[in-house]
Amino acid sequence: QLQLQESGPRLVKPSETLSLTCIVSGGSISGSTYYWAWIRQPPGKGLEWVGSVYHDGNTWYHPSVKSRVTMSVDTSKNHFSLNLSSVTAADTAVYYCGRHDTPGGMDVWGQGTTVTVSS
Amino acid sequence: QSVLTQPPSVSAAPGQKVTISCSGSSSNIGSNYVSWYQQLPGTAPKLLISENHKRPSGIPDRFSGSKSGTSATLGIIGLQTGDEADYYCATWDSSLSAHVFGTGTKVTVL
Repeated sequence: QLQLQESGPRLVKPSETLSLTCIVSGGSISGSTYYWAWIRQPPGKGLEWVGSVYHDGNTWYHPSVKSRVTMSVDTSKNHFSLNLSSVTAADTAVYYCGRHDTPGGMDVWGQGTTVTVSS
Repeated sequence: QSVLTQPPSVSAAPGQKVTISCSGSSSNIGSNYVSWYQQLPGTAPKLLISENHKRPSGIPDRFSGSKSGTSATLGIIGLQTGDEADYYCATWDSSLSAHVFGTGTKVTVL
Protein backbone atom coordinates (compact mmCIF):
# COMPACT_ATOMS: atom_id res chain seq x y z
CA GLN A 1 0.00 0.00 0.00
CA LEU A 2 1.47 3.31 -1.10
CA GLN A 3 2.27 5.74 1.71
CA LEU A 4 3.57 9.30 1.66
CA GLN A 5 5.40 11.09 4.46
CA GLU A 6 6.35 14.75 4.51
CA SER A 7 9.57 15.85 6.16
CA GLY A 8 11.36 19.15 6.65
CA PRO A 9 11.76 22.13 8.98
CA ARG A 10 8.65 23.23 10.83
CA LEU A 11 9.84 26.82 11.27
CA VAL A 12 11.19 29.04 8.50
CA LYS A 13 12.25 32.67 8.76
CA PRO A 14 10.67 35.33 6.52
CA SER A 15 12.49 35.82 3.19
CA GLU A 16 14.14 32.39 3.48
CA THR A 17 13.37 29.20 1.53
CA LEU A 18 10.91 26.56 2.67
CA SER A 19 12.13 23.07 1.77
CA LEU A 20 10.07 19.92 2.16
CA THR A 21 10.51 16.35 1.01
CA CYS A 22 7.86 13.70 0.49
CA ILE A 23 9.11 10.15 1.01
CA VAL A 24 7.24 7.55 -1.03
CA SER A 25 7.01 4.00 0.33
CA GLY A 26 5.16 0.94 -0.85
CA GLY A 27 5.52 1.90 -4.49
CA SER A 28 7.88 3.50 -6.97
CA ILE A 29 7.89 7.00 -8.41
CA SER A 30 10.00 5.86 -11.35
CA GLY A 31 7.95 4.93 -14.39
CA SER A 32 4.71 5.65 -12.60
CA THR A 33 1.87 7.18 -14.59
CA TYR A 34 0.91 9.28 -11.59
CA TYR A 35 1.76 12.87 -10.79
CA TRP A 36 3.21 13.89 -7.41
CA ALA A 37 1.78 17.00 -5.83
CA TRP A 38 2.04 19.50 -3.01
CA ILE A 39 -1.11 21.01 -1.53
CA ARG A 40 -1.26 23.46 1.36
CA GLN A 41 -3.88 24.65 3.80
CA PRO A 42 -3.40 27.90 5.75
CA PRO A 43 -4.76 27.86 9.31
CA GLY A 44 -8.55 27.84 9.26
CA LYS A 45 -8.71 28.08 5.47
CA GLY A 46 -9.27 25.87 2.46
CA LEU A 47 -7.01 23.75 0.31
CA GLU A 48 -4.64 25.22 -2.27
CA TRP A 49 -2.73 23.20 -4.87
CA VAL A 50 0.88 24.37 -5.00
CA GLY A 51 2.19 22.25 -7.87
CA SER A 52 2.79 18.82 -9.36
CA VAL A 53 5.80 16.99 -10.74
CA TYR A 54 5.98 13.96 -13.01
CA HIS A 55 8.64 11.24 -12.72
CA ASP A 56 10.41 12.68 -15.78
CA GLY A 57 10.82 16.02 -14.02
CA ASN A 58 8.09 17.95 -15.81
CA THR A 59 6.40 20.40 -13.47
CA TRP A 60 3.21 22.43 -13.19
CA TYR A 61 2.84 25.24 -10.64
CA HIS A 62 0.01 27.37 -9.31
CA PRO A 63 0.24 30.87 -10.84
CA SER A 64 0.26 32.49 -7.39
CA VAL A 65 3.58 30.86 -6.43
CA LYS A 66 5.09 30.12 -9.82
CA SER A 67 7.87 32.69 -9.48
CA ARG A 68 8.98 31.28 -6.12
CA VAL A 69 8.51 27.52 -6.35
CA THR A 70 10.63 24.63 -7.57
CA MET A 71 9.62 21.00 -7.42
CA SER A 72 11.80 18.03 -8.25
CA VAL A 73 11.84 14.27 -8.20
CA ASP A 74 14.66 11.95 -7.06
CA THR A 75 13.82 8.51 -8.39
CA SER A 76 16.92 6.94 -6.81
CA LYS A 77 15.68 7.94 -3.35
CA ASN A 78 12.02 7.55 -4.28
CA HIS A 79 11.06 10.97 -3.03
CA PHE A 80 10.03 14.34 -4.38
CA SER A 81 10.66 17.81 -3.06
CA LEU A 82 9.27 21.31 -2.75
CA ASN A 83 11.28 24.50 -2.47
CA LEU A 84 9.43 27.78 -1.92
CA SER A 85 11.61 30.87 -1.78
CA SER A 86 11.13 34.32 -0.26
CA VAL A 87 8.50 33.09 2.17
CA THR A 88 6.23 35.36 4.16
CA ALA A 89 3.69 34.76 6.90
CA ALA A 90 1.13 34.06 4.16
CA ASP A 91 3.01 30.84 3.40
CA THR A 92 2.30 29.47 6.89
CA ALA A 93 0.20 26.36 6.35
CA VAL A 94 -0.14 22.63 6.67
CA TYR A 95 1.67 21.23 3.66
CA TYR A 96 0.46 17.92 2.25
CA CYS A 97 2.06 15.81 -0.42
CA GLY A 98 -0.16 13.70 -2.61
CA ARG A 99 -0.50 11.57 -5.72
CA HIS A 100 -2.93 12.10 -8.57
CA ASP A 101 -3.69 10.72 -11.99
CA THR A 102 -4.37 12.58 -15.22
CA PRO A 103 -8.08 13.16 -14.50
CA GLY A 104 -6.89 14.77 -11.28
CA GLY A 105 -8.19 12.70 -8.41
CA MET A 106 -5.69 12.76 -5.55
CA ASP A 107 -6.03 9.28 -4.16
CA VAL A 108 -3.10 9.16 -1.74
CA TRP A 109 -2.17 11.89 0.74
CA GLY A 110 0.54 12.32 3.33
CA GLN A 111 -0.50 13.15 6.87
CA GLY A 112 0.62 16.76 6.43
CA THR A 113 3.26 18.86 8.12
CA THR A 114 2.74 22.29 9.67
CA VAL A 115 5.18 24.93 8.50
CA THR A 116 5.26 28.28 10.26
CA VAL A 117 6.96 31.32 8.79
CA SER A 118 8.16 33.52 11.63
CA SER A 119 11.27 35.24 12.84
CA GLN B 1 -10.10 33.62 -4.10
CA SER B 2 -11.17 30.24 -5.41
CA VAL B 3 -12.73 29.93 -8.84
CA LEU B 4 -14.99 27.15 -7.54
CA THR B 5 -17.82 28.23 -5.26
CA GLN B 6 -19.43 26.02 -2.63
CA PRO B 7 -21.96 26.83 0.09
CA PRO B 8 -20.17 27.48 3.40
CA SER B 9 -22.30 25.00 5.29
CA VAL B 10 -25.11 22.47 5.01
CA SER B 11 -26.83 20.49 7.72
CA ALA B 12 -29.37 17.74 8.20
CA ALA B 13 -30.51 15.19 10.76
CA PRO B 14 -29.05 11.69 10.95
CA GLY B 15 -30.40 9.47 8.21
CA GLN B 16 -31.32 12.38 5.98
CA LYS B 17 -29.75 13.55 2.74
CA VAL B 18 -27.56 16.54 1.91
CA THR B 19 -26.29 17.87 -1.38
CA ILE B 20 -23.30 20.14 -1.85
CA SER B 21 -23.00 22.23 -4.98
CA CYS B 22 -19.79 23.33 -6.68
CA SER B 23 -20.11 26.12 -9.23
CA GLY B 24 -17.39 26.89 -11.73
CA SER B 25 -16.97 27.93 -15.34
CA SER B 26 -16.32 26.60 -18.82
CA SER B 27 -12.55 26.62 -18.24
CA ASN B 28 -12.70 24.34 -15.21
CA ILE B 29 -15.76 22.21 -14.41
CA GLY B 30 -17.17 22.73 -17.88
CA SER B 31 -14.24 21.00 -19.55
CA ASN B 32 -12.54 18.81 -16.95
CA TYR B 33 -13.27 16.05 -14.46
CA VAL B 34 -14.38 16.92 -10.92
CA SER B 35 -13.15 15.25 -7.73
CA TRP B 36 -14.58 15.49 -4.24
CA TYR B 37 -12.73 15.23 -0.93
CA GLN B 38 -13.75 14.75 2.67
CA GLN B 39 -11.60 16.29 5.40
CA LEU B 40 -12.34 15.17 8.92
CA PRO B 41 -11.13 17.53 11.68
CA GLY B 42 -7.37 17.47 12.06
CA THR B 43 -6.78 14.96 9.25
CA ALA B 44 -5.65 14.92 5.65
CA PRO B 45 -8.29 15.08 2.92
CA LYS B 46 -9.63 11.82 1.56
CA LEU B 47 -10.76 11.21 -2.02
CA LEU B 48 -14.48 10.47 -2.15
CA ILE B 49 -15.31 10.88 -5.83
CA SER B 50 -13.11 11.02 -8.92
CA GLU B 51 -13.93 11.63 -12.60
CA ASN B 52 -17.24 13.30 -11.67
CA HIS B 53 -18.97 10.22 -10.28
CA LYS B 54 -16.55 7.35 -9.61
CA ARG B 55 -16.12 6.09 -6.05
CA PRO B 56 -12.69 4.72 -5.12
CA SER B 57 -12.58 1.35 -3.46
CA GLY B 58 -13.82 1.53 0.11
CA ILE B 59 -16.02 4.59 -0.32
CA PRO B 60 -19.63 3.68 0.58
CA ASP B 61 -22.35 4.15 -2.02
CA ARG B 62 -24.01 6.67 0.30
CA PHE B 63 -21.73 9.15 -1.45
CA SER B 64 -22.46 10.11 -5.04
CA GLY B 65 -21.21 12.68 -7.53
CA SER B 66 -22.63 14.26 -10.63
CA LYS B 67 -21.80 17.03 -13.06
CA SER B 68 -23.88 19.16 -15.35
CA GLY B 69 -22.44 21.96 -17.43
CA THR B 70 -20.30 24.17 -15.21
CA SER B 71 -21.58 22.78 -11.90
CA ALA B 72 -21.05 19.62 -9.91
CA THR B 73 -22.87 18.11 -6.97
CA LEU B 74 -21.93 15.78 -4.14
CA GLY B 75 -24.74 13.89 -2.50
CA ILE B 76 -24.69 12.12 0.83
CA ILE B 77 -27.62 9.93 1.85
CA GLY B 78 -28.21 8.18 5.16
CA LEU B 79 -26.26 10.91 6.95
CA GLN B 80 -24.18 9.72 9.90
CA THR B 81 -22.45 11.62 12.70
CA GLY B 82 -19.15 10.41 11.26
CA ASP B 83 -19.89 12.38 8.09
CA GLU B 84 -19.37 15.67 9.92
CA ALA B 85 -16.45 17.14 8.03
CA ASP B 86 -15.38 19.70 5.48
CA TYR B 87 -15.97 18.76 1.85
CA TYR B 88 -14.10 20.16 -1.14
CA CYS B 89 -14.62 19.90 -4.86
CA ALA B 90 -11.63 20.16 -7.19
CA THR B 91 -10.80 20.17 -10.88
CA TRP B 92 -8.24 21.38 -13.40
CA ASP B 93 -8.63 24.91 -14.71
CA SER B 94 -7.47 25.08 -18.31
CA SER B 95 -7.17 28.89 -18.29
CA LEU B 96 -5.05 29.00 -15.14
CA SER B 97 -3.24 25.73 -15.96
CA ALA B 98 -3.75 24.83 -12.33
CA HIS B 99 -5.62 22.45 -10.10
CA VAL B 100 -8.25 24.40 -8.22
CA PHE B 101 -10.19 23.54 -5.08
CA GLY B 102 -13.59 24.76 -4.09
CA THR B 103 -14.16 27.07 -1.14
CA GLY B 104 -15.21 24.14 1.04
CA THR B 105 -18.46 23.17 2.74
CA LYS B 106 -18.87 22.19 6.36
CA VAL B 107 -21.42 19.43 6.87
CA THR B 108 -23.14 19.37 10.25
CA VAL B 109 -25.26 16.47 11.45
CA LEU B 110 -27.99 17.90 13.68
